[in-house]
Amino acid sequence: NAGVTQTPKFRVLKTGQSMTLLCAQDMNHEYMYWYRQDPGMGLRLIHYSVGEGTTAKGEVPDGYNVSRLKKQNFLLGLESAAPSQTSVYFCASRLFPGTEQFFGPGTRLTVL
Amino acid sequence: GQQVMQIPQYQHVQEGEDFTTYCNSSTTLSNIQWYKQRPGGHPVFLIQLVKSGEVKKQKRLTFQFGEAKKNSSLHITATQTTDVGTYFCAGLGNTGGFKTIFGAGTRLFVKA
Repeated sequence: NAGVTQTPKFRVLKTGQSMTLLCAQDMNHEYMYWYRQDPGMGLRLIHYSVGEGTTAKGEVPDGYNVSRLKKQNFLLGLESAAPSQTSVYFCASRLFPGTEQFFGPGTRLTVL
Repeated sequence: GQQVMQIPQYQHVQEGEDFTTYCNSSTTLSNIQWYKQRPGGHPVFLIQLVKSGEVKKQKRLTFQFGEAKKNSSLHITATQTTDVGTYFCAGLGNTGGFKTIFGAGTRLFVKA
């Protein structure tokens, strides 16, 4: 089992460009999450999903969109990237609330 | 909304010294989890505490959950260089919902 995978691992964007980050899990987990990690601020929840076809906003959803068309995949989109979105993005999944979260290796995004 | 505060933000110790990080929630928690993130890596689950006053040990690590289920601590006895990293607590509220709120983390530096 690969667990949780993320693509790409690194990306540099110019302000205004768009991109999609892909998260995939092979553990048949219902719940999936997108976090961003900035120095001194820990992990902040962007969006999450409680099952295929569902999405919900987290703490810092502005500037991001998500989709969960398939149970195993959770996509994070940036329509018009801004320098404030420079961060490390982690995807996580778990079976149900109260169980451990499994994290992907992260995507390091720089917006110039 | 629910907030989870974690202190200290950083801790420098000499190898062999003890280390403690503290976590406080603004609301009563259903459970609390602890994660470790090595430099350049992703968060990895360490343990989950569910019961009021619960204490769990993993070798040199001792985890406690407060009686009111609003605070928790992680204590490392006789730190080693392999303990280097950032330790996060993550709390699940007891009013339902699917979001775990992470503390900002405590970064541990160990000098050999």
